[in-house]
Amino acid sequence: DGGITQSPKYLFRKEGQNVTLSCEQNLNHDAMYWYRQDPGQGLRLIYYSQIVNDFQKGDIAEGYSVSREKKESFPLTVTSAQKNPTAFYLCASRLASRTGELFFGEGSRLTVL
Amino acid sequence: QQQVKQSPQSLIVQKGGIPIINCAYENTAFDYFPWYQQFPGKGPALLIAIRPDVSEKKEGRFTISFNKSAKQFSLHIMDSQPGDSATYFCAASGAGGTSYGKLTFGQGTILTVHP
Repeated sequence: DGGITQSPKYLFRKEGQNVTLSCEQNLNHDAMYWYRQDPGQGLRLIYYSQIVNDFQKGDIAEGYSVSREKKESFPLTVTSAQKNPTAFYLCASRLASRTGELFFGEGSRLTVL
Repeated sequence: QQQVKQSPQSLIVQKGGIPIINCAYENTAFDYFPWYQQFPGKGPALLIAIRPDVSEKKEGRFTISFNKSAKQFSLHIMDSQPGDSATYFCAASGAGGTSYGKLTFGQGTILTVHP
């Protein structure tokens, strides 16, 4: 079955540690996205990538980094510079020809202690 | 200019009722307006979407009404069921350039349908 796999589902880290969240898709989608979800704030765009080896900052990129070395993979690193990293992180992908139709993974919940 | 404002934050209805969720946007370059449904602990899933050239779209029990001049759109759920209890997000996407495919989401509405 095609889909988006995010791992880990739950992650606990100490303050000051970098954390990398994995996102893999086998939908052959061109574009991939990372969103952050906080209660009452909807989904906010962190980074997105339209093609391999290229990515752009979203609305809240500070304290995060990404890479897109393969079409299937778009990992997100939450660095120690991110002031409030505890959140639910969602990865999504989109076929190039489908304007706004995003397919989401099941999310990774990061808790920084 | 990129904001999408959604209301209400939460909504409780009885089974069979018609919950209505409203969204307003500012950016007139937006040209695609989807609604996503999210169950607890899951990622959002596309429910229904509309483009500005139509004023209404129905898919099953879900209807989007779109008012281009007012820059508003809304989701109506007919004959709501307890299984519809979820968080609903409206969103908007612009055409062209780096905005292509980028979705701006509303704040979300938590819908509870009582049996």
